[in-house]
Amino acid sequence: LAKTTQPISMDSYEGQEVNITCSHNNIATNDYITWYQQFPSQGPRFIIQGYKTKVTNEVASLFIPADRKSSTLSLPRVSLSDTAVYYCLVGDMGGGADGLTFGKGTHLIIQP
Amino acid sequence: NAGVTQTPKFRVLKTGQSMTLLCAQDMNHEYMYWYRQDPGMGLRLIHYSVGEGTTAKGEVPDGYNVSRLKKQNFLLGLESAAPSQTSVYFCASSSTQGIGNQPQHFGDGTRLSIL
Repeated sequence: LAKTTQPISMDSYEGQEVNITCSHNNIATNDYITWYQQFPSQGPRFIIQGYKTKVTNEVASLFIPADRKSSTLSLPRVSLSDTAVYYCLVGDMGGGADGLTFGKGTHLIIQP
Repeated sequence: NAGVTQTPKFRVLKTGQSMTLLCAQDMNHEYMYWYRQDPGMGLRLIHYSVGEGTTAKGEVPDGYNVSRLKKQNFLLGLESAAPSQTSVYFCASSSTQGIGNQPQHFGDGTRLSIL
């Protein structure tokens, strides 16, 4: 079971690009990297998922180096509404609970 | 689209009482999960199911039981509630289609207090 390490908290300002890095040194060949966002009093919401290189959607980009031992979630031009907890998960949903360890996540605070 | 619906949203119990939390999903997902989230903590997996009629233990299963009699429903039971089970409970579901980790869809949670 690949474990992840993220910063506990980060601060930034509106309009800035924010990069949150997740370390997963024990990632396995079949593992994918998935990021979720959670607002207070709500369940987590899927943001982005990737296996290698770069993935981009309308919300964020995910950068994964060749060795896949880390990944970086990039949020372009953040706003106050991006203040939330961000979780990095690593695993392969092969019918078990692998990849379902959320950890404490990164609490991102965006200031005006 | 309702997605994942949890019932009830709030509940207060006395120690020793029992109750069942209901999770319903309308996305025809095979996998369903129950998590608990305590203040300042991430989500911890209690039990999960990979299909109708199946259940499996997660990280913190003690004191809880689950049942998946219908594909769309996943029930979490507390037989004898304890104050340590005061938490916010989240249900989620995911598809088996495609490759890799299929994203989980979460409900809005059940806030449970045990006095």
